[in-house]
Amino acid sequence: DQQVKQNSPSLSVQEGRISILNCDYTNSMFDYFLWYKKYPAEGPTFLISISSIKDKNEDGRFTVFLNKSAKHLSLHIVPSQPGDSAVYFCAASAIGTYKYIFGTGTRLKVLA
Amino acid sequence: EAGVTQFPSHSVIEKGQTVTLRCDPISGHDNLYWYRRVMGKEIKFLLHFVKESKQDESGMPNNRFLAERTGGTYSTLKVQPAELEDSGVYFCASSQDLNKAFYGYTFGSGTRLTVV
Repeated sequence: DQQVKQNSPSLSVQEGRISILNCDYTNSMFDYFLWYKKYPAEGPTFLISISSIKDKNEDGRFTVFLNKSAKHLSLHIVPSQPGDSAVYFCAASAIGTYKYIFGTGTRLKVLA
Repeated sequence: EAGVTQFPSHSVIEKGQTVTLRCDPISGHDNLYWYRRVMGKEIKFLLHFVKESKQDESGMPNNRFLAERTGGTYSTLKVQPAELEDSGVYFCASSQDLNKAFYGYTFGSGTRLTVV
């Protein structure tokens, strides 16, 4: 039973446009959500996080939105750049735990 | 600051053999985690050390997997005997504290294990 789901395995976007990556979760006890970016043959790299008490967090070109009622979060990248091409993982952690539950990832390809 | 280092980067072994993976966390990081990604699926938690103690080993798949962190520095993950379904990429990560209002773990590049 997957608690964190990324239903789009891949996404292609033109350079300069907005990339929107989506993630759904089922566990209402999650209190922190993170996005990681992963390049081939490298480990995941932390990108941005959001606490469950917030609905938006912004860091430069990256914004994460959290909709708790829908149990949905999304990552917006504006403007998208070719260097953003990577696999993006959504991850969540429950109250009182320090492990993260990851989704299966979405491969983003930004076309020049 | 050196990152999280994992050895080896690749390992190919036969079913039934033993393999030991090593992780050197960032110096001073008390928290060390092992994760695994199988067949391009999600990255799954295996266990969490705080210094040399196992804080959470709820993700360890079975007793063929043994993780140790003697002295609270580097960690090893031994698979004995290895089975075909153990193939995947094993990631190690470390963090300085347990405050979740932070930047997330730092992951190593992983060890790609192939059991044939």
